[in-house]
Amino acid sequence: KAGVTQTPRYLIKTRGQQVTLSCSPISGHRSVSWYQQTPGQGLQFLFEYFSETQRNKGNFPGRFSGRQFSNSRSEMNVSTLELGDSALYLCASTQTGTLNEQYFGPGTRLTVT
Amino acid sequence: AQKVTQAQTEISVVEKEDVTLDCVYETRDTTYYLFWYKQPPSGELVFLIRRNSFDEQNEISGRYSWNFQKSTSSFNFTITASQVVDSAVYFCALSPPGSGSRLTFGEGTQLTVNP
Repeated sequence: KAGVTQTPRYLIKTRGQQVTLSCSPISGHRSVSWYQQTPGQGLQFLFEYFSETQRNKGNFPGRFSGRQFSNSRSEMNVSTLELGDSALYLCASTQTGTLNEQYFGPGTRLTVT
Repeated sequence: AQKVTQAQTEISVVEKEDVTLDCVYETRDTTYYLFWYKQPPSGELVFLIRRNSFDEQNEISGRYSWNFQKSTSSFNFTITASQVVDSAVYFCALSPPGSGSRLTFGEGTQLTVNP
């Protein structure tokens, strides 16, 4: 069974631009969560999608948004990038999101210059 | 609000030594779940264990063992006879029921096992 895949793996953007990151969950998994990891703030929950609906949201500004498609693939978008958005963005999937173990992808390393 | 504290930022041991990673949590919920994840240099978080707050039995899996003490709000992780491949960042995490897949992570402990 293929694991969680994230594309792209690395990305360099300029301040003010926007970016879209993609996550393909494990086949059969309907819940996708996103986390931001930075040296200063650690791992922080962004949001969770289940059956195309946002079920949980962390404390991030509205510049961070996401969506989930009918095949459970998810995208997250960050608009008007700031230097502080440089981070490793991790995606995780579970079958139903009810505290089954989460399987994480390798992450997308975003650098904002 | 939930909080997870891993006071040990970095630990360095020599291969075959035993090492314990500390985790202390704060929550007002009576029911919750605790997790440990491993993050090797590749970046991908690897699930190690999930523990229900009602289950205070210690658990052992090979060289890994976990000690959950609700009275002290701690969920410590011990690696016996450490190996170089155990070198990674280890995260403790907390999730209350009804929060879906939302995890609150600790700061992580960087474990380095030297040959």
